[in-house]
Amino acid sequence: GDSVTQMEGPVTLSEEAFLTINCTYTATGYPSLFWYVQYPGEGLQLLLKATKADDKGSNKGFEATYRKETTSFHLEKGSVQVSDSAVYFCALPLQGGSEKLVFGKGTKLTVNP
Amino acid sequence: EAGVAQSPRYKIIEKRQSVAFWCNPISGHATLYWYQQILGQGPKLLIQFQNNGVVDDSQLPKDRFSAERLKGVDSTLKIQPAKLEDSAVYLCASSFRLAGNADTQYFGPGTRLTVL
Repeated sequence: GDSVTQMEGPVTLSEEAFLTINCTYTATGYPSLFWYVQYPGEGLQLLLKATKADDKGSNKGFEATYRKETTSFHLEKGSVQVSDSAVYFCALPLQGGSEKLVFGKGTKLTVNP
Repeated sequence: EAGVAQSPRYKIIEKRQSVAFWCNPISGHATLYWYQQILGQGPKLLIQFQNNGVVDDSQLPKDRFSAERLKGVDSTLKIQPAKLEDSAVYLCASSFRLAGNADTQYFGPGTRLTVL
C-alpha cells in the first residue's frame, strides 16, 4: 500500500549547517507530497508541499523537490537555525476518496548554537 | 483567521475510565479529521468527517472509540473505557475542500492523554 519512509533520527546539527532529511514514498499514481513540522509542545504545521512531479516546494528557507524517478521528496535547508529544532514529518494522501494523510515516523532535529 | 481549537490540552485518567475530547475546526472547513499520535510515531488517522457524515473510520477501534460531528462544525471524540495503550496525543485537523481532493490540513495543538 501507499507509504512514506523517512530517515531515522534524531539528527543533531550546529547552527548554520546544511540539513537533509530523506523521504521516499510508495504510491499508486502521483499524489501530492507534504512536509509537516511539529515544534515542541505544538501541533503539526504544514511546512511545504508539491502537487506534481518536478515541483519544488519551499518555505522558511526549506526546500523539497518532487522526484518521480527516485520516488523521493527530500527536505533540505542550507543553513539551519536553533529555532528549526522540531520534528519533521513527510506525508502523502492515500488516493481513492478520503485522501487521508499517511505520515512517516518523523525525524527529530536538534540544532545547537 | 483563527486556527483549529482543541480542549483539553492535557488529560490524565485511570484505565477503564471514560474521556472526551473536543475540536472546533477552522470556520468554513468541510472536512474534519481525528488522528492518534503515539510517542515516537507519525499521526495515524482515526476518523474523517465531511460536514456531519463519516467518510472513513476504518482505523477507529469502534468497540471503545466513538466520534460525532453534529451540525457539521464541532466534533467530539470519546474513549470508553480507556486502555493503557490509548496514551497518545489526539490531533484534530480540518481542511477546506471536500474529501476526494487532497488539500492542506490544518492541525490543532492536540490533547495529550495519559492513561495510568
